[in-house]
Order: sequence, then C-alpha cells, then structure tokens
Amino acid sequence: GENVEQHPSTLSVQEGDSAVIKCTYSDSASNYFPWYKQELGKRPQLIIDIRSNVGEKKDQRIAVTLNKTAKHFSLHITETQPEDSAVYFCACSYDKVIFGPGTSLSVIP
Amino acid sequence: DGGITQSPKYLFRKEGQNVTLSCEQNLNHDAMYWYRQDPGQGLRLIYYSQIVNDFQKGDIAEGYSVSREKKESFPLTVTSAQKNPTAFYLCASSIGQAQETQYFGPGTRLLVL
Repeated sequence: GENVEQHPSTLSVQEGDSAVIKCTYSDSASNYFPWYKQELGKRPQLIIDIRSNVGEKKDQRIAVTLNKTAKHFSLHITETQPEDSAVYFCACSYDKVIFGPGTSLSVIP
Repeated sequence: DGGITQSPKYLFRKEGQNVTLSCEQNLNHDAMYWYRQDPGQGLRLIYYSQIVNDFQKGDIAEGYSVSREKKESFPLTVTSAQKNPTAFYLCASSIGQAQETQYFGPGTRLLVL
C-alpha cells in the first residue's frame, strides 16, 4: 500500500541554525503535500503545503521543496528559534491523506 | 482552531465497555476524519467520511465504529473488540477532497482502567 517515510526521526539544532526534514512517498498519483506541526500535548496545525504543479514554496523562515520525479519533498526551517521545537509531520494525498511518522525537532537555545 | 471541538478531553474505559468520543465542527466542512496517535508515533487513519450518511474504513478500523448523521458531527465509538484502545484520538475536518488542509480538534486521551 501507499506509505510515507520521514527522516530523521529526531533532530537537534542550535538556535539560529537551519533544520531540514525529508519525506519520500510511494504513490506517484499524490498531488498534495502538507506539513503539520504538533507541539507537546496540542493538536497538529498546518504550517505550509505544496501542490504537485509547484517545485518550491516559501513562507518567511519556512520553505518546502518538491521533487515529483524522485518522489520526495523536504521542509526547510531557517534561523531556528526555541518555539520551533515540536514534532513535524509530512503528508501526501491523492484520494486520502497519508502521514509520515513524524520528526521531533529540538532547538537548543 | 475553535471551529472543531472534541469531548471529553480525557476518557476512561473499563474492560468490555464501549465508549463514544464526540467530534463537532462548525466550519461547514464536508469531510471529517478520525486518527489514532500512540506515544511517539504518527497519525493513523481510523475512519473518514466525505459526505453525510457515508463513511469509509481507514487503515486501522477494526474495533471502532462511526456514524455521520449530521454534517457537523462525526462520533467515534471504541468498542470492546478494540483490545488496546489507550491512545490519543484526533478528529479532523476539511472542506472536501483529500487535497485540502485538515483542521484538527484538540484531541481526546483514552485510558483503560
């Protein structure tokens, strides 16, 4: 069946450094790729998304890149801050959404 | 955030008991979803509904049941057949198709006595 792999599972960075999380997917029909952030004990919330007709999208310190040929997409966070510490989930969808297993990001002050 | 609510926040289930988790949304969304999240794990789809009076099984539907009698409501029943129900349950909704943003409720934590 369809699945989404996400790496790394945990990531620690110094405040101000960049963080990169990568996801690969198996269903070539997938055409929507959202990223969700979940702080401890809270609900997941969308932080950025990209559709298959776009290769890159940026929103302030967050960017997502998509390579449909290789079937992978990545989240880039620049100038990390302690409040960026959370679990990040990638997802892909065509007829239903499939989530990756998550990356726990810790930003060390 | 305030458009989708779940209750209760914590729920305790006794052996052999069925319990129902509530999910309500006032976003006028057609699609609603139930996910299960275990500690340190991702989100696994239990059931989803794209229209009133219709729903489909997700990846881990065994031991669960749902109904969608109203657009605003999508309750989840955890039956006694679910032998390991302890988890964090998240409800979500979206405008329609899968290629739309999902908005999550605050979640219900289910514990077994």
